Amino acid sequence: DAKTTQPPSMDCAEGRAANLPCNHSTISGNEYVYWYRQIHSQGPQYIIHGLKNNETNEMASLIITEDRKSSTLILPHATLRDTAVYYCIVRVAGSGNTPLVFGKGTRLSVIA
Amino acid sequence: GAGVSQSPSNKVTEKGKDVELRCDPISGHTALYWYRQSLGQGLEFLIYFQGNSAPDKSGLPSDRFSAERTGGSVSTLTIQRTQQEDSAVYLCASSLRPMTGNTEAFFGQGTRLTVV
Repeated sequence: DAKTTQPPSMDCAEGRAANLPCNHSTISGNEYVYWYRQIHSQGPQYIIHGLKNNETNEMASLIITEDRKSSTLILPHATLRDTAVYYCIVRVAGSGNTPLVFGKGTRLSVIA
Repeated sequence: GAGVSQSPSNKVTEKGKDVELRCDPISGHTALYWYRQSLGQGLEFLIYFQGNSAPDKSGLPSDRFSAERTGGSVSTLTIQRTQQEDSAVYLCASSLRPMTGNTEAFFGQGTRLTVV
């Protein structure tokens, strides 16, 4: 699976959009981009994933560049409860029996 | 149940004792994973079960660690002769199919193990 690079930490004002970048310049054509987050003292939580088209769900939007070498997770109106470590992971479709590999992620602090 | 359930939520044990950690995956999920997370660290993969296939044990840190999955459902992670460096949060996850590119995993809340 391709490696990802994320900034170690970011701050965001409450109510503003949080834009979390992820670089995956070695991504292959059959690799999906996944985002998870881990709120303090909880297990990781799935947020969203995509292959090449932008995706949106009730939690967030995922913007993937045309060359797929980077992506941005957008939390449109960040709240204090969005303070967490956000993990960007790339996974090969159909790779079968291998787990998600978590890096160090980005620690997002939402500030009142 | 509605989500992945792990028990106990907290476990304190003396060095050298054996411990068993339990994971109840989401009903119908064929894949089950164990991870651990030491204080301030990332998630470390331990072991993976998929259906009746032989488990992927490539992440187990030593032969003191083992896991079983009975009947394709509940799993138990056993740590023998615990050491202080085993202290961590042990997380279980399940997914409907193997973690291929388009299937998300659901995590439990973890078991916090403290070896004293």
